[in-house]
Amino acid sequence: AQTVTQSQPEMSVQEAETVTLSCTYDTSENNYYLFWYKQPPSRQMILVIRQEAYKQQNATENRFSVNFQKAAKSFSLKISDSQLGDTAMYFCAWLNAGGTSYGKLTFGQGTILTVHP
Amino acid sequence: DAGVIQSPRHEVTEMGQEVTLRCKPISGHNSLFWYRQTMMRGLELLIYFNNNVPIDDSGMPEDRFSAKMPNASFSTLKIQPSEPRDSAVYFCASSFRRILDSPLHFGNGTRLTVT
Repeated sequence: AQTVTQSQPEMSVQEAETVTLSCTYDTSENNYYLFWYKQPPSRQMILVIRQEAYKQQNATENRFSVNFQKAAKSFSLKISDSQLGDTAMYFCAWLNAGGTSYGKLTFGQGTILTVHP
Repeated sequence: DAGVIQSPRHEVTEMGQEVTLRCKPISGHNSLFWYRQTMMRGLELLIYFNNNVPIDDSGMPEDRFSAKMPNASFSTLKIQPSEPRDSAVYFCASSFRRILDSPLHFGNGTRLTVT
């Protein structure tokens, strides 16, 4: 079974600084997708960034970027120029790209990020 | 677009009572998912539908849980009888075609408390 591990239950960062959230996963599949979701206090789940396993280039979305290390099965999220609105719980998630795996995301336990002014 | 709409936002009930959670997916989306979030187990997929047909319900914890999707614009998750360990936030999500082609859109969740 696939597992996703986020080893940092909580993180904090000063506004405008950079923070990196860690995620590791375990799978025997070769073709898969990885995601980072943000869950603010409103509970809404918001997709932050997505990475296809077959792509070597790390995905970026404005202030958000990932460090994808396929051999090490690591998928960390870097947030640059942190803003107060980045305060949220962040979930790492894995999805098998093969077959009919429509929405069977496997989530990590989450990391609570607090951005301090 | 109003997004995925879930109701109620909060539900408090007593052990043994029946609970029904409701979801209206985004219009045009053909896949619908029910997830459960708890502190202990994180986010777990309970069941998902494609074109109103249940595809995989292996995540449903036990027979007390059932889900239906009578049409493309409505789904329910029912717990009967409810137990305190069912207390969690239940999310509904929808997408168009395979998740690989489009993002998964989540509702705001229903926080269920069973006393």
